[in-house]
Amino acid sequence: GQQVMQIPQYQHVQEGEDFTTYCNSSTTLSNIQWYKQRPGGHPVFLIQLVKSGEVKKQKRLTFQFGEAKKNSSLHITATQTTDVGTYFCAGPGSNYQLIWGAGTKLIIKP
Amino acid sequence: DGGITQSPKYLFRKEGQNVTLSCEQNLNHDAMYWYRQDPGQGLRLIYYSQIVNDFQKGDIAEGYSVSREKKESFPLTVTSAQKNPTAFYLCASRPGGGGSYNEQFFGPGTRLTVL
Repeated sequence: GQQVMQIPQYQHVQEGEDFTTYCNSSTTLSNIQWYKQRPGGHPVFLIQLVKSGEVKKQKRLTFQFGEAKKNSSLHITATQTTDVGTYFCAGPGSNYQLIWGAGTKLIIKP
Repeated sequence: DGGITQSPKYLFRKEGQNVTLSCEQNLNHDAMYWYRQDPGQGLRLIYYSQIVNDFQKGDIAEGYSVSREKKESFPLTVTSAQKNPTAFYLCASRPGGGGSYNEQFFGPGTRLTVL
């Protein structure tokens, strides 16, 4: 069945370093969504990408959707403690479900 | 304020007991979802509903049941048949009915511990 793979599972960074998480789909996606879940919290929608090759920025966060619409990435520049959490990508499945990646946990080293 | 409420935040039950988790939304969203999240894991879909009085099984529906009698409410019952029910349960809703891939809005979740 349709799968969305997300890597890495964890990323440890020093505050101020950059962070990137990658998503790959087994099928072409009509769109891809990104969510953030703070520790102990619930997922919160960040953005949706729709167009092939689309790049969107939200302050220090840059989201990309691949030309083939099968992969996507989220890059955070100069991480801050407020960025800590797990970042999920999700693509549309059958019957208007979302197929979720396993998430990448961003950990800031003390 | 519009939003999704889940209650309670923490729930403890003895093994063998059924338990019902509440999910209410006042966003006027058509679609609602229940997910299960285990520690350090992603979200797994239990059940979803596109419209009142209709719902479908997700990937891990065994041992769970739902109802959708009102647009605002989508309660989840964790039955004694669910072999490992201890988990974080998240309810979500989505606007736009059955014809779009809008973002999902999540409630704060219920942490269920079965002793």
